[in-house]
Amino acid sequence: KAGVTQTPRYLIKTRGQQVTLSCSPISGHRSVSWYQQTPGQGLQFLFEYFSETQRNKGNFPGRFSGRQFSNSRSEMNVSTLELGDSALYLCASSIEPGQGARGYTFGSGTRLTVV
Amino acid sequence: AQTVTQSQPEMSVQEAETVTLSCTYDTSESNYYLFWYKQPPSRQMILVIRQEAYKQQNATENRFSVNFQKAAKSFSLKISDSQLGDTAMYFCAFMMGPNFGNEKLTFGTGTRLTIIP
Repeated sequence: KAGVTQTPRYLIKTRGQQVTLSCSPISGHRSVSWYQQTPGQGLQFLFEYFSETQRNKGNFPGRFSGRQFSNSRSEMNVSTLELGDSALYLCASSIEPGQGARGYTFGSGTRLTVV
Repeated sequence: AQTVTQSQPEMSVQEAETVTLSCTYDTSESNYYLFWYKQPPSRQMILVIRQEAYKQQNATENRFSVNFQKAAKSFSLKISDSQLGDTAMYFCAFMMGPNFGNEKLTFGTGTRLTIIP
């Protein structure tokens, strides 16, 4: 079966713009989490969604938001982009909350560059 | 808050040799999970092995095994008969037990492992 699909794979944006990233989980997976990966801060948890509801949120400013649709696909949005938002954004899915302990399945990420 | 420390930024080993990657963590909880994830140049994070804290037996997956020392809060990964395809960044990660209602992963800073032909 198809893995976790993230689109686009690469993205270049200008400071001040906004961006939307998409994540389609593995079929049957209903829990989606997002992580930001940067050389300086490493991998940091952004948020987790299940049944179209945000269950948990990491320590990021309000410019970072997300949502989940009824088909479990998720999007994250970053408004008023800053240079420091340049990062690899990874999406991970699991069947449902509590099943992440079995190990998440990650996508290949979206590489966002802010210029 | 939980923290995960990987003290070896880079390691290299000859093909077919054995290598051990170190990881320590800090938590006051007793119910949690530990993971090793691998990130090759393709960027996708791939689960290598997982350990449940309440299990004393060390997890093994083919050539991969862990040495889980709960009292010392240590969780090292041993790769036996290393192969060129093992070249990647390796991340140690921590997750609270499901009863805490937060399954976020806390990652270490990673170890870049290079397998030399």
